[in-house]
Amino acid sequence: DVKVTQSSRYLVKRTGEKVFLECVQDMDHENMFWYRQDPGLGLRLIYFSYDVKMKEKGDIPEGYSVSREKKERFSLILESASTNQTSMYLCASSLWGGLNTEAFFGQGTRLTVV
Amino acid sequence: AQTVTQSQPEMSVQEAETVTLSCTYDTSESDYYLFWYKQPPSRQMILVIRQEAYKQQNATENRFSVNFQKAAKSFSLKISDSQLGDAAMYFCAYRQNSGNTPLVFGKGTRLSVIA
Repeated sequence: DVKVTQSSRYLVKRTGEKVFLECVQDMDHENMFWYRQDPGLGLRLIYFSYDVKMKEKGDIPEGYSVSREKKERFSLILESASTNQTSMYLCASSLWGGLNTEAFFGQGTRLTVV
Repeated sequence: AQTVTQSQPEMSVQEAETVTLSCTYDTSESDYYLFWYKQPPSRQMILVIRQEAYKQQNATENRFSVNFQKAAKSFSLKISDSQLGDAAMYFCAYRQNSGNTPLVFGKGTRLSVIA
């Protein structure tokens, strides 16, 4: 089974802290994604990566950055956490293309910024 | 840019009955995939069913089936014989058939199943 693992299920951070959310997948997928999930807004794409060291901005990249130094790992960085970044963060991975283009998701990280 | 619209924020269904969740999308592409994902309360997002745009036949997975109307850009999910375990958020998603494109999601429909 494909496994996407996010390093923390719950996090509480203070305003202004630098926050790292880690995601690891074990299926050699080329694509990895970070989404933010808020009630009534669905899933919004923050960043995605289709190869090591490659990244593309999604719909809401402001206040975030990402790092992909190894194929299996994709990190989301909140440079200076703010209360409006309190949310559920979902990591996902998928193959490059073709029929099996579904995304596999991690269990989510619920981040609270106080 | 592609968009996905789920017009029903909440739905409810009696156990053992059938319910249909609506989804429309907007794209100028002809080669793409459509998905329905399920997110149970406090649990991981999982794929329910997928549809390839070039396939006219509607996809079916056990009690879950879709009504794919390509010209109308509509992709509804039908759940037959609803069970308590079907209660969840359901997200419709679109993906262009190109290597480095992400999934685009709708805002979701919260389905309640009444015993």
